[in-house]
Amino acid sequence: GAGVSQSPSNKVTEKGKDVELRCDPISGHTALYWYRQRLGQGLEFLIYFQGNSAPDKSGLPSDRFSAERTGESVSTLTIQRTQQEDSAVYLCASSIGQISSGNTIYFGEGSWLTVV
Amino acid sequence: DQQVKQNSPSLSVQEGRISILNCDYTNSMFDYFLWYKKYPAEGPTFLISISSIKDKNEDGRFTVFLNKSAKHLSLHIVPSQPGDSAVYFCAAGNQAGTALIFGKGTTLSVSS
Repeated sequence: GAGVSQSPSNKVTEKGKDVELRCDPISGHTALYWYRQRLGQGLEFLIYFQGNSAPDKSGLPSDRFSAERTGESVSTLTIQRTQQEDSAVYLCASSIGQISSGNTIYFGEGSWLTVV
Repeated sequence: DQQVKQNSPSLSVQEGRISILNCDYTNSMFDYFLWYKKYPAEGPTFLISISSIKDKNEDGRFTVFLNKSAKHLSLHIVPSQPGDSAVYFCAAGNQAGTALIFGKGTTLSVSS
């Protein structure tokens, strides 16, 4: 597809279970971002991958959260031992290289996670 | 500590009037600013951007103004249309390659 693709689009999981969320960025985009938006809140930065550089993990809220990226393609965000506070829409975005004038990031439609 | 702040959670405007959405930032290293628009159940979509070397950028009905000394930017929509009703996010970044930091968003409602 031409855009950022995320799966699953919706996930309901029981508290304590692990979940994996997948992101397929736009082909050729070297930068990939994960954000989350909890109900009534803004977009919260989680993690950023840029090419072969070490990822910027400064936004991950706890050690239950981790993400990997295979080369410059698919990324997986894993949440272990989910808690109700993890319920949110998880948004993936990608961009051609680093942000610069005339460049921007493109978002997927998000994965809606509900922890019950 | 919020680096990008949108202090107005909501704004209501009549069709045809101007909408002004405001954003403040604290990190002086930010040199690139963007506005995104988000409809319910969709991902945010890019609207307009501005580099710190400029103080204004215009695209059709949308104009972004940047006041670096005040660390403030604003998005002007004129004339506002009902289809503009959405959540607007301000975002800031550094062209050296950090991730974009977003504000909490402002919900704009344009009534006909």
